[in-house]
Amino acid sequence: TQLLEQSPQFLSIQEGENLTVYCNSSSVFSSLQWYRQEPGEGPVLLVTVVTGGEVKKLKRLTFQFGDARKDSSLHITAAQPGDTGLYLCAGTGDDKIIFGKGTRLHILP
Amino acid sequence: KAGVTQTPRYLIKTRGQQVTLSCSPISGHRSVSWYQQTPGQGLQFLFEYFSETQRNKGNFPGRFSGRQFSNSRSEMNVSTLELGDSALYLCASRLGSHEKLFFGSGTQLSVL
Repeated sequence: TQLLEQSPQFLSIQEGENLTVYCNSSSVFSSLQWYRQEPGEGPVLLVTVVTGGEVKKLKRLTFQFGDARKDSSLHITAAQPGDTGLYLCAGTGDDKIIFGKGTRLHILP
Repeated sequence: KAGVTQTPRYLIKTRGQQVTLSCSPISGHRSVSWYQQTPGQGLQFLFEYFSETQRNKGNFPGRFSGRQFSNSRSEMNVSTLELGDSALYLCASRLGSHEKLFFGSGTQLSVL
C-alpha cells in the first residue's frame, strides 16, 4: 500500500518567518502534487513536480521533488497570514492519486 | 468557466438513513472522483468515474456507491449511515488521466 507521510502535522509560526514542510514515502511516484485547502473549500492545486530533483518556485513558495521521486518538500519564505491553510501532498501513478494527511499551517500576524 | 459544483453544502442525517450527494463537474471534464475527508484519516479516495464507467475504487464498504450520467454529472450514495460516515465529501473533476484535479467545495455530512 502506497503511503505519504507529511510532517509536521501542525505548524504555527509568526509572520515573516521561514518554514519547510515535508512529504515522504517509501514508494516511487510518477509525479508529486501540492495542494492548499482553506476552511470550507476544496483543495486547490499549487504545483506538480515530475522530474527527480526538480525545483519549482511560486512566488515565496519553493517546491522540491526528491532525486528518487519518493519525497518532496515545500519551503515558504517570509510567511504571510494568507499562507494559512492545510497543505496536502499527493503522489500520482498507475492512474491513481494518493494523498497525505496534510500539514495544518497557521501564520500569526 | 464554472467550477465543480457540489450540492448540498451541508447535510444532517441520523444513523441508518441513506444519503445522496451530487456533483456537477467543470464543463468538458469527463472524469469525476469522490473523496472522503476526516481529521483523523485525511483525504481518502472513494471512486472515480469516466464516461459513465467506474474506473477505480478505493477501500470503502459496499454501502458507498456512485454513478455518473451521460452529461458527466455524478452522484454518490451512502446507505445505512453510521456515525463514522460523518465527514467532508469532496468531488473532483479532470479532463482525463494525468490531468490536474479541480475540487468542489464539498458536502459536509453529519450523522447523528
